Amino acid sequence: DTAVSQTPKYLVTQMGNDKSIKCEQNLGHDTMYWYKQDSKKFLKIMFSYNNKELIINETVPNRFSPKSPDKAHLNLHINSLELGDSAVYFCASSQSSNRVQNTGELFFGEGSRLTVL
Amino acid sequence: LAKTTQPISMDSYEGQEVNITCSHNNIATNDYITWYQQFPSQGPRFIIQGYKTKVTNEVASLFIPADRKSSTLSLPRVSLSDTAVYYCLVGPAPGGTNAGKSTFGDGTTLTVKP
Repeated sequence: DTAVSQTPKYLVTQMGNDKSIKCEQNLGHDTMYWYKQDSKKFLKIMFSYNNKELIINETVPNRFSPKSPDKAHLNLHINSLELGDSAVYFCASSQSSNRVQNTGELFFGEGSRLTVL
Repeated sequence: LAKTTQPISMDSYEGQEVNITCSHNNIATNDYITWYQQFPSQGPRFIIQGYKTKVTNEVASLFIPADRKSSTLSLPRVSLSDTAVYYCLVGPAPGGTNAGKSTFGDGTTLTVKP
């Protein structure tokens, strides 16, 4: 029943490795996001996809590559992990209807804590 | 994108009303103001959104002055469970390619004491 689910919840790995985080939403939303939250709780958007099309690609290293196989999934693959990649990564979704009543509310997953050693 | 400024932290006691103010001096005409709440080990959760004047829902109220350069989130009669980080976001109306263009502020850590 979880609206936005991401796996794994915890990920500990060595520098230089490649890892993926998966995200799925069952809300029927057409827009999905990846956010990064650092140790100081700053929450920064990395990517957003609308109907599988990349909308936002912030200044994120090329080592980060999102993939959206369909509207309900947005995965994040990270190559050559670095110490500075350690953070909590949040997936989110929203509905992009232009109706006045739509707040564009973001629904977040519980986060994936990545620790790079 | 409009930058926001919030207090880093606030303390309160159970039963009190808490007001958290966010400054957004360069808010654009079509920008909305949205607040999120985040508990430890969870993702942020939407609280309230407004464009001008006052908005109220079952959880909080949002006060926006006429110049819209600031906004105040008001939590009535807080309890211990309201201890969380509160984020102010300012950005264009939701929809389509505006998705994700609202920027999270640095957050205010609210601690409610017994």
